[in-house]
Amino acid sequence: GDSVTQMEGPVTLSEEAFLTINCTYTATGYPSLFWYVQYPGEGLQLLLKATKADDKGSNKGFEATYRKETTSFHLEKGSVQVSDSAVYFCALSGDHGSSNTGKLIFGQGTTLQVKP
Amino acid sequence: DTGVSQDPRHKITKRGQNVTFRCDPISEHNRLYWYRQTLGQGPEFLTYFQNEAQLEKSRLLSDRFSAERPKGSFSTLEIQRTEQGDSAMYLCASSTDRGPVNTEAFFGQGTRLTVV
Repeated sequence: GDSVTQMEGPVTLSEEAFLTINCTYTATGYPSLFWYVQYPGEGLQLLLKATKADDKGSNKGFEATYRKETTSFHLEKGSVQVSDSAVYFCALSGDHGSSNTGKLIFGQGTTLQVKP
Repeated sequence: DTGVSQDPRHKITKRGQNVTFRCDPISEHNRLYWYRQTLGQGPEFLTYFQNEAQLEKSRLLSDRFSAERPKGSFSTLEIQRTEQGDSAMYLCASSTDRGPVNTEAFFGQGTRLTVV
């Protein structure tokens, strides 16, 4: 079945450092890919998404490119801030044609801690 | 619209008791999902409603779990004869299929269940 694998955390960085969180997936067809973020005490929020190969999703300085050849969707940010400290989840929604339900398959999450 | 609402936010119950959680989705959303999230893991899909019809259930959803969405509006998730292994965060999400494929799913803040 479909699955998502993320790099294990926690990831600890100093402010203004470069961030990469790796995400790879296994799925049939052409899934849509997502990054969700969960700030302390808050619910899951969509950070960015990409719906087809070579698409780049971006938001709040974060980027991720849908790489079908490597089945990857790595999250990057050039300069992290303390306020980016959160748990980041990579997810996919499978491509099942007319029966696409939109359900999400999540990775296990990666905790990012940014120190001033 | 205030987003997806879940009630209660926290529930502590004794093993063997029944519990019921409520989810109010975004009003124009016809799709509703329940997920379960345990500590250090990503959310796991439990069940999916399209309007009032429950169209998919995960194998994680044992016979002790039942979900309803009468009239295609709010949804309830009931757990009968709770066990300690049911302790988790129960998340509700909603979305619409009236638009591009795989439109964004909006999550509530969850109900944290502790079974003692």
